[in-house]
Amino acid sequence: GAGVSQSPSNKVTEKGKDVELRCDPISGHTALYWYRQSLGQGLEFLIYFQGNSAPDKSGLPSDRFSAERTGGSVSTLTIQRTQQEDSAVYLCASSRSAGENYEQYFGPGTRLTVT
Amino acid sequence: AQSVSQHNHHVILSEAASLELGCNYSYGGTVNLFWYVQYPGQHLQLLLKYFSGDPLVKGIKGFEAEFIKSKFSFNLRKPSVQWSDTAEYFCAVSLSGTYKYIFGTGTRLKVLA
Repeated sequence: GAGVSQSPSNKVTEKGKDVELRCDPISGHTALYWYRQSLGQGLEFLIYFQGNSAPDKSGLPSDRFSAERTGGSVSTLTIQRTQQEDSAVYLCASSRSAGENYEQYFGPGTRLTVT
Repeated sequence: AQSVSQHNHHVILSEAASLELGCNYSYGGTVNLFWYVQYPGQHLQLLLKYFSGDPLVKGIKGFEAEFIKSKFSFNLRKPSVQWSDTAEYFCAVSLSGTYKYIFGTGTRLKVLA
């Protein structure tokens, strides 16, 4: 595809349920990033992948959060036992490689609401 | 910890007014600097970036930014805004040698026609 795509665009879930958020990076981009944007906050880095491996998971807020990437392409961010404070917009970005000179291209985001 | 500050959270301007949005970062080392824009209903797009060289960077749609190392600043400017510039603007910093972007909290700009 032409850009980074994410699905679903909106997700409403009940507290305690698990959710999966999907990201399709730009074809050929080896690096993939997940960010979270909470109300009134900047974008908060969660995790990054180079290929299928995640060298940096330092931003994941708790062990309820996990992410995987298969085939060096699609990535899934899973939140288990969702809490109300998980409500946010989850953004995915990709870049040609994980280097400082490679621009990150962002997807439209998934707006998660936990009721 | 490294951080990025955008002091103006909301800015309202009339068309043709000049714009300057502040961005300061806290990190003593070499940095790469970015401004992203998010138009209503759209995703984040890169406006401009600074890696090295001329500290005055020109981006798309008439925007420019100046890196002042001594002030740890990378302010965004536009001489004459248009109604279509209404958007949220984010400053971001990546530390040299790393891939991780640190974002500011954003500035919502509203341009009155």
